[in-house]
Amino acid sequence: GQQLNQSPQSMFIQEGEDVSMNCTSSSIFNTWLWYKQDPGEGPVLLIALYKAGELTSNGRLTAQFGITRKDSFLNISASIPSDVGIYFCAGPFNSGGSNYKLTFGKGTLLTVNP
Amino acid sequence: GAVVSQHPSRVICKSGTSVKIECRSLDFQATTMFWYRQFPKQSLMLMATSNEGSKATYEQGVEKDKFLINHASLTLSTLTVTSAHPEDSSFYICSARPGLPTKNIQYFGAGTRLSVL
Repeated sequence: GQQLNQSPQSMFIQEGEDVSMNCTSSSIFNTWLWYKQDPGEGPVLLIALYKAGELTSNGRLTAQFGITRKDSFLNISASIPSDVGIYFCAGPFNSGGSNYKLTFGKGTLLTVNP
Repeated sequence: GAVVSQHPSRVICKSGTSVKIECRSLDFQATTMFWYRQFPKQSLMLMATSNEGSKATYEQGVEKDKFLINHASLTLSTLTVTSAHPEDSSFYICSARPGLPTKNIQYFGAGTRLSVL
């Protein structure tokens, strides 16, 4: 199946620092999604990207859809303690007919030291 | 908008019993819902895709008789873990896809922590 390579696996940063993480794929995606998962909770959608080159912001978060359609990155500016969690990239792939499933990266665990 | 409610959030049961988990889309209709399983410090693993009014499609290696899925309406899907055993203990998460115009976005429930004693 489709695989997404997400890096880094984990990050330890100081409050106020900026953070960057990315996902790459060997296949082309038409959509890139970024989710955040807090401990013991389900993933929450942060940003959805639909066009190559698209740059979209959501507050302090900015994500870009790579020109090659095989990568995406997520930036968090001026991190705060509540940014702690696991960030997942995800992309839909056609599993047959009109059925689409999401494939996920392995996640980036973010720890923010106050 | 796009709220998915999952219930219960936590369940503890004895080995051999069955457990039902509900997933509801509260403010949209979902023709397709998904059930995932997540092990500690790992990504989400898709178990099955559930389409309203039809049989669920299970991923390779997932026992359909063990994990019964029913998608009776456009806002409700249920997962029943039958004859649960300790190895079924895990975090189960559902998601729902509204369809166009949000395309392939899935919205997730808060998850259910299942502990089988």
